[in-house]
Amino acid sequence: DAGITQSPRHKVTETGTPVTLRCHQTENHRYMYWYRQDPGHGLRLIHYSYGVKDTDKGEVSDGYSVSRSKTEDFLLTLESATSSQTSVYFCAIKPGQGSYEQYFGPGTRLTVT
Amino acid sequence: AQTVTQSQPEMSVQEAETVTLSCTYDTSENNYYLFWYKQPPSRQMILVIRQEAYKQQNATENRFSVNFQKAAKSFSLKISDSQLGDTAMYFCAFIGGSNYKLTFGKGTLLTVNP
Repeated sequence: DAGITQSPRHKVTETGTPVTLRCHQTENHRYMYWYRQDPGHGLRLIHYSYGVKDTDKGEVSDGYSVSRSKTEDFLLTLESATSSQTSVYFCAIKPGQGSYEQYFGPGTRLTVT
Repeated sequence: AQTVTQSQPEMSVQEAETVTLSCTYDTSENNYYLFWYKQPPSRQMILVIRQEAYKQQNATENRFSVNFQKAAKSFSLKISDSQLGDTAMYFCAFIGGSNYKLTFGKGTLLTVNP
């Protein structure tokens, strides 16, 4: 258990509304990631963070923004949700130096109607 | 850019038998890491096994082992003595060089039949 929680676990929202997903970790890991999972696509990286206030884009970052004001929290925001953002969202962490694997949170299922 | 290909969208196996899941990748990196993740119906992503590219010895974790062929850029997962609890989606993943970003394959859905 890597001590990763995600909230909410499920959310239904309407097109055009803003949505924020939260990832919380308890072990002071420097690297945190947001992925989305869609059938036929595996997991794709949205954004990642390599420290407080240090973030960068992944391969599917359009329509998403992130913030990390504290080590333990990494927020993913959909400024104006669209139906194409209906997906399962996973947060992940990378443990410290010398480790390259990532450990995942339980996921958030987001439905945009 | 790295790519990871899993050519088997679905597979099935009888309980107690052995099954092999295929994965190939493409990279120009010389130093990289490969992983297999399992995603059961609970949706949780679980790390099954890891392989460092600089190690020639194939990784093994209990009933799970890999066949890592660096020259062929192949990284298959063998599950021995399959159990009903092995039913899951399996993802192959890659991290290369100083890039700490995982690239995933599209997954193989494995069903273990009683």
